[in-house]
Amino acid sequence: AQSVTQLDSQVPVFEEAPVELRCNYSSSVSVYLFWYVQYPNQGLQLLLKYLSGSTLVKGINGFEAEFNKSQTSFHLRKPSVHISDTAEYFCAVPTFSGGYNKLIFGAGTRLAVHP
Amino acid sequence: DAGVIQSPRHEVTEMGQEVTLRCKPISGHNSLFWYRQTMMRGLELLIYFNNNVPIDDSGMPEDRFSAKMPNASFSTLKIQPSEPRDSAVYFCASSLGGAGGNVLTFGAGSRLTVL
Repeated sequence: AQSVTQLDSQVPVFEEAPVELRCNYSSSVSVYLFWYVQYPNQGLQLLLKYLSGSTLVKGINGFEAEFNKSQTSFHLRKPSVHISDTAEYFCAVPTFSGGYNKLIFGAGTRLAVHP
Repeated sequence: DAGVIQSPRHEVTEMGQEVTLRCKPISGHNSLFWYRQTMMRGLELLIYFNNNVPIDDSGMPEDRFSAKMPNASFSTLKIQPSEPRDSAVYFCASSLGGAGGNVLTFGAGSRLTVL
């Protein structure tokens, strides 16, 4: 079964600074990967996804992630963050179990952007 | 489309009372998921429906929890009797197809507090 590890539970950063949120997944023959974002008091929404093709994936709000098969990583980056990026970010991977896929989420990384 | 609709947004109840959470998925989506989010355990998949049929309920914590999907546009999650440890945010999500490479659309969640 697949799993994901988010290495940082909290990441504080100043506005306009770059940020990287780390995610590692357990290896598998093929893998799909997702980043979801949860703003305060809201549900999760898709930030970006990797299914195949280019290893650099661009998402909404200026975020991008790079799929690195050799390092089994899918780190999320943004070159310059805004206050409005303050949220919790979840890395997720489908795992095939019992005849179907279910989406497994990491523990989340809370990004706090300070002025 | 109005997205995934959950009600109530907030519920405060006393231990021993019955709680019913409701979900209306996106029209045309054939997969529905119930997740629970707590600080201690993160996001946990409780149950997965495909074409209104429960496929996997192994995440349901105990017999006090039950879920139904009587038709393609409505699902309920019931807790009877409720206990303080059931306090959490419960999310409903839907997708077109399973959770392989497909995107899950989440509702805003139902925050349950059991006193």
